Amino acid sequence: AQKVTQAQTEISVVEKEDVTLDCVYETRDTTYYLFWYKQPPSGELVFLIRRNSFDEQNEISGRYSWNFQKSTSSFNFTITASQVVDSAVYFCALSEARETSGSRLTFGEGTQLTVNP
Amino acid sequence: DVKVTQSSRYLVKRTGEKVFLECVQDMDHENMFWYRQDPGLGLRLIYFSYDVKMKEKGDIPEGYSVSREKKERFSLILESASTNQTSMYLCASSLWARENQPQHFGDGTRLSIL
Repeated sequence: AQKVTQAQTEISVVEKEDVTLDCVYETRDTTYYLFWYKQPPSGELVFLIRRNSFDEQNEISGRYSWNFQKSTSSFNFTITASQVVDSAVYFCALSEARETSGSRLTFGEGTQLTVNP
Repeated sequence: DVKVTQSSRYLVKRTGEKVFLECVQDMDHENMFWYRQDPGLGLRLIYFSYDVKMKEKGDIPEGYSVSREKKERFSLILESASTNQTSMYLCASSLWARENQPQHFGDGTRLSIL
């Protein structure tokens, strides 16, 4: 069975601080995909990034960066110089690679990030 | 841009009622999903569908059923609503491909069962 754990339920920072959101996963599959989603107060989940299990390169997109470490089964997300607009619930998710049908996601519990001015 | 539209943002129903939640996507996606979101539990998959008239149970299908008569529409049905089904319900869709594609979500329906 697959499992995703986001141990940090809530994080509160002051604007311009860097913040890292942790994600640890469990799977028996050798091929899988990892995702991060952002859920602002409006409610809609917004896709941020997808990573497949064979690509361990870290990725940077503006103030966002992701650190994928297969050895520790972790896929952590860092926001540099946080802003108030980054306040949201962030979800890490895992999906198996299926040959014949759609990919289903297993989500972590989510981390509520609050960035204070 | 993909648009996933859920029929209601807020819904209040009574125990024992049959409740329909509708979801429509406009990007010809094969896959559609229904989740419920509860504090501290993240999103949990109720049902999903990878083709018209096809459906598969997710992690928590009890008390729910689904219908997919057309590719763009995926309905979640609460056969006899109960108070423990009060929750936020999220619909999503994705393109099927070997490289698992991201799911695109609707705004959610906050359902209260009284």
